[in-house]
Amino acid sequence: EDKVVQSPLSLVVHEGDTVTLNCSYEVTNFRSLLWYKQEKKAPTFLFMLTSSGIEKKSGRLSSILDKKELFSILNITATQTGDSAIYLCAVDSGTYKYIFGTGTRLKVLA
Amino acid sequence: DAGVTQSPTHLIKTRGQQVTLRCSPKSGHDTVSWYQQALGQGPQFIFQYYEEEERQRGNFPDRFSGHQFPNYSSELNVNALWLGDSALYLCASSLGGIQYFGAGTRLSVL
Repeated sequence: EDKVVQSPLSLVVHEGDTVTLNCSYEVTNFRSLLWYKQEKKAPTFLFMLTSSGIEKKSGRLSSILDKKELFSILNITATQTGDSAIYLCAVDSGTYKYIFGTGTRLKVLA
Repeated sequence: DAGVTQSPTHLIKTRGQQVTLRCSPKSGHDTVSWYQQALGQGPQFIFQYYEEEERQRGNFPDRFSGHQFPNYSSELNVNALWLGDSALYLCASSLGGIQYFGAGTRLSVL
């Protein structure tokens, strides 16, 4: 059965810290891996990764995919209180549906 | 450009009742997917509609059904509601790869 596992489940850091969120997956037909940020309700798109070793970057956020070891990481540097959210990892299994992990709940303290 | 819009935002029903949730996709998007997100969990794929047909379905019973209209908007219907159907129901639209989510409908079944 296809699955996506995220770790840690929750994390509390102080402003300015750097965090690394992990996502591992086992899917039959991998097409892409996506990261979303969910603050209140609507998950908002962060990155889509399809190729190994190519870092995607947006401001203080970056992400990379390892298709050999079947995982991805999401890094956030110089965290701010506005980064507090649930970060969701999803895999497009090639059958038009996303398989989501449980998410990592990040809380950034001032 | 309006994003994905869902209605209603909140809904309270009792066991055994039926409910209809609505979704308008982002402009230009032709594909609509529905997800159920229970508290503390990642979104679970219900089904996806494309060209007014159900293209893919997750592990949900037949009590969950849907429809897509010629303007690409979509409805999710749930019959014979159970307490366990209480969740946030998310709609996502896409044109190709990336899915963009609406703010969801919070359904409470009493």
